[in-house]
Amino acid sequence: DTEVTQTPKHLVMGMTNKKSLKCEQHMGHRAMYWYKQKAKKPPELMFVYSYEKLSINESVPSRFSPECPNSSLLNLHLHALQPEDSALYLCASSLTGGADTQYFGPGTRLTVL
Amino acid sequence: AQSVTQPDIHITVSEGASLELRCNYSYGATPYLFWYVQSPGQGLQLLLKYFSGDTLVQGIKGFEAEFKRSQSSFNLRKPSVHWSDAAEYFCALYSSASKIIFGSGTRLSIRP
Repeated sequence: DTEVTQTPKHLVMGMTNKKSLKCEQHMGHRAMYWYKQKAKKPPELMFVYSYEKLSINESVPSRFSPECPNSSLLNLHLHALQPEDSALYLCASSLTGGADTQYFGPGTRLTVL
Repeated sequence: AQSVTQPDIHITVSEGASLELRCNYSYGATPYLFWYVQSPGQGLQLLLKYFSGDTLVQGIKGFEAEFKRSQSSFNLRKPSVHWSDAAEYFCALYSSASKIIFGSGTRLSIRP
């Protein structure tokens, strides 16, 4: 199984809502990542978890809150988002981090109204 | 400074024609380089990677890339493109501490 799954595929939320994005992998990978991608731009790294510990936070606003409950699951909790947060949110995983190949999920298309 | 440059924003080629997408990098040591492809609204799929060894790297879907240290390049090639190759292509460089630097991408269109 070389797949990273993400749910939901699409999400529309208001600025006062609380929602969560979910990412799952069953490849035994111990590093997981959240990226944000705006239209016609490359992905931008948001967070990295290594062995279920947050290792990198790229100065992401606190309205984005990551969580790694176990080695297979990664969540991104969203609260009080702004319209400019509308984007494709991509999850990725790699074996142990570092230069290991990152495998990406299909993404969640988020629209903030 | 570490960086990846993809000079071509958009390329159109005819179906069946050959393809070369350019990628230049700036990195002080031996780079770890990747090419990813992204279809509209989808995630990124790894086409191939270069870590060391043979400078001509074979990937999936008939793609190959050649690492040229003297030119700081890692260009992606395919001898004959198919309509299904239309997508966005990203060259990427491993930076440090699990971070990848992506190029700005090249959008490939296929002319029937």
